[in-house]
Amino acid sequence: QVQLQESGPGLVKASETLSLTCTVSGASISSYYWSWVRQPPGKGLEWIGNIFYSGSTNYSPSLKSRVIISVDTSRNQFSLRLTSVTAADTAVYYCARLNKVTTDYLYYYMDVWGKGTTVTVSS
Amino acid sequence: DIQMTQSPSSLSASVGDRVSIACRASQSIDNYLNWYQQKPGKAPQVVIYAASSLQSGVPSRFSGSGSGTDFTLTISSLQPEDFATYYCQQSYSTLYSFGQGTKLEIK
Repeated sequence: QVQLQESGPGLVKASETLSLTCTVSGASISSYYWSWVRQPPGKGLEWIGNIFYSGSTNYSPSLKSRVIISVDTSRNQFSLRLTSVTAADTAVYYCARLNKVTTDYLYYYMDVWGKGTTVTVSS
Repeated sequence: DIQMTQSPSSLSASVGDRVSIACRASQSIDNYLNWYQQKPGKAPQVVIYAASSLQSGVPSRFSGSGSGTDFTLTISSLQPEDFATYYCQQSYSTLYSFGQGTKLEIK
């Protein structure tokens, strides 16, 4: 079955860059869109951005100036970089697959998620 | 940006109850609306996509309705495993957004 696994440092210093990787197994990264979502402690879900295997991206307007999502098809991975982090970026970070359903229209939803990785920004 | 607003923010109910959670979009999103269930310490799981389509493997007591700006998630007869936080999410825009969540608690 399809599995996603986030990896990266659990602790990042303020003003530095957060870097995470999502490794996909059981599916080709070249067939789907992929997402990053985060959840600050005790708060709700926040969409960060999407990427297609071709490299086309969409980012949350609130994070757009600081975020880059990239894909490595040879490793079946996609990655998140968030620059100039502050304590407000402390969160559990999830990667997810965007499944596509075609009826009369084209629908996307996040059907497979990683377990999440906790990133703490320290001062 | 499309803002998603859920109500209520929290809800207490008993096993066997019928409950509904509302989600309102700041503009029309047709039926590009998904619902997710999240249990403590776990990743979210989709329950409904395209406003009313039941994800494979999800019990039929879950249903979704609505179109345009107003949507509802209904659980027809609450089971112990349904107590969780539920989020709506729009995919009408290429810039996705989630509602703030509704925590469903045991009365």
